[in-house]
Amino acid sequence: GENVEQHPSTLSVQEGDSAVIKCTYSDSASNYFPWYKQELGKRPQLIIDIRSNVGEKKDQRIAVTLNKTAKHFSLHITETQPEDSAVYFCAASKGSGTYKYIFGTGTRLKVLA
Amino acid sequence: NAGVTQTPKFQVLKTGQSMTLQCAQDMNHEYMSWYRQDPGMGLRLIHYSVGAGITDQGEVPNGYNVSRSTTEDFPLRLLSAAPSQTSVYFCASSRPSSGELFFGEGSRLTVL
Repeated sequence: GENVEQHPSTLSVQEGDSAVIKCTYSDSASNYFPWYKQELGKRPQLIIDIRSNVGEKKDQRIAVTLNKTAKHFSLHITETQPEDSAVYFCAASKGSGTYKYIFGTGTRLKVLA
Repeated sequence: NAGVTQTPKFQVLKTGQSMTLQCAQDMNHEYMSWYRQDPGMGLRLIHYSVGAGITDQGEVPNGYNVSRSTTEDFPLRLLSAAPSQTSVYFCASSRPSSGELFFGEGSRLTVL
């Protein structure tokens, strides 16, 4: 079946450094790729997303890149801050719809002050 | 504007008991879904609905039932709880045009 692989599972960076999280997907029909941030004990919240007709999208300190040929997409966080510490999940739409998603297993990011 | 509301937040069941997790949204979203979150496994789709009266299975549907009689409500029923169903459950809603999932606060279920 379809799956999404996410790496690394944990990531520690010094405050001010950049963090990169990578995901690969298997469903060729996937066309929507969101990233969610989940703080401890809280609900996941969307931080950025990208659609298959776009190669890169940026929103202030966060950016997402998509390589459809290689079926991988990445989250980039620059100038990390302690409040960026959380678990990040990538996801891929199951097929071309936007009602079913396959999530990655998550990356726990720790930003060290 | 409450968004997505889940109840209860915590529940302890004994093996074999049944219960319903309630989910309601006030954003008039067409799509609703239930996910379970287990350590190291991310979020896995249990059931989803694309509109009132329409439901379908996700990745891990066994042991769960859903119904969608109104746009607002999407309850998840555990018919005969098993320890393997110990998890945190999230309800989510979204619009077809957006794709963004709006999650509830989660329900932590322990089955003894």
